[in-house]
Amino acid sequence: GENVEQHPSTLSVQEGDSAVIKCTYSDSASNYFPWYKQELGKGPQLIIDIRSNVGEKKDQRIAVTLNKTAKHFSLHITETQPEDSAVYFCAASSNAGGTSYGKLTFGQGTILTVHP
Amino acid sequence: DSGVTQTPKHLITATGQRVTLRCSPRSGDLSVYWYQQSLDQGLQFLIQYYNGEERAKGNILERFSAQQFPDLHSELNLSSLELGDSALYFCASSVSMEDYGYTFGSGTRLTVV
Repeated sequence: GENVEQHPSTLSVQEGDSAVIKCTYSDSASNYFPWYKQELGKGPQLIIDIRSNVGEKKDQRIAVTLNKTAKHFSLHITETQPEDSAVYFCAASSNAGGTSYGKLTFGQGTILTVHP
Repeated sequence: DSGVTQTPKHLITATGQRVTLRCSPRSGDLSVYWYQQSLDQGLQFLIQYYNGEERAKGNILERFSAQQFPDLHSELNLSSLELGDSALYFCASSVSMEDYGYTFGSGTRLTVV
């Protein structure tokens, strides 16, 4: 089955700096890659996603890049703010069908701390 | 408020007991997913239902079962509870089976003592 590795496990930056979180996946059939932000006491919230037919996607201060050949994708947050502090999860999914249909495989998470 | 409602928010129970977790999906969402989040295992997929039918299954224990009712709410039943079942249980919903842009609820924190 799919395996998603996420690095780093913790990331500390100063307000205004950029933050980059990287993930690799194992299943070449995976074609959907979302990123979730989880704040304390809340459920994960989808912040951006990318499909395999696109190499990059941007939404204001957040961007995601995908390299299908190398099977890795990254989250980039620019001009970080203290409210960006949270746990970030990457995930991968394939709609190839069978028993894995509908399943998101998550990375282990990155604790991002933005210092004022 | 994400629109996905999970009850109860917290549950403390003893080993060997049985509990039921409830999830109401966002209005219009037909697909419901259950995930378990523990410190050492991260977010683990348990099971997916679509419009009342089971559609995908993860590493869900035989002691666990779920169903989705005609009104689309879902219940996750956990029985013969063990200390290791202590975790956050999340429900998520999406419009269709092909839509993986889940909306998660705020979870149920289960503590088994």
